[in-house]
Amino acid sequence: GESVGLHLPTLSVQEGDNSIINCAYSNSASDYFIWYKQESGKGPQFIIDIRSNMDKRQGQRVTVLLNKTVKHLSLQIAATQPGDSAVYFCAENIGAQKLVFGQGTRLTINP
Amino acid sequence: DTGVSQDPRHKITKRGQNVTFRCDPISEHNRLYWYRQTLGQGPEFLTYFQNEAQLEKSRLLSDRFSAERPKGSFSTLEIQRTEQGDSAMYLCASSFRTGGDYGYTFGSGTRLTVV
Repeated sequence: GESVGLHLPTLSVQEGDNSIINCAYSNSASDYFIWYKQESGKGPQFIIDIRSNMDKRQGQRVTVLLNKTVKHLSLQIAATQPGDSAVYFCAENIGAQKLVFGQGTRLTINP
Repeated sequence: DTGVSQDPRHKITKRGQNVTFRCDPISEHNRLYWYRQTLGQGPEFLTYFQNEAQLEKSRLLSDRFSAERPKGSFSTLEIQRTEQGDSAMYLCASSFRTGGDYGYTFGSGTRLTVV
């Protein structure tokens, strides 16, 4: 069935280091993917998206990589800051109608 | 427009009571979605509207749940005869589908606690 999952439930990195959050998806027909950041008590906040006709997209301090061959998505955060501590979700757009979310990775930035 | 607004932010209700949540999407967005999120999990799709038409409902949306978007602007989600298992964060999102640019934006959610 359709599913989006994450390899690691928690990730701790030192402030200033780069972090990589991974995600696997199962629906090879999905054509759009989004990374969200969610802080405690708040709704998911859009970080960056990528379409299936791309393999890389860069934003401010963030880069998303898409490997369609192995159905893998990753989010790279450069020079992590304390404010980056949150739960990160990848989401897969199904038929341009709804998002299927993974379980999330909790990123903790250590001072 | 400051984004997607949801009201109330928190709701505590007794089992068996009815509750209604409201979502005001970004004004130019024609699609509106409801999701439910339980602790430690990602949001799960419940239903979505394009303008005033409800186009899809998840199996999660039992008969006790009903959603409306009467004028294609704000939406309400009602839960009748609440059960403890309904305790969750209810998230609303909106998007504008044009040229493939979806622009999903979530609100801050309504946290429901059924006691």
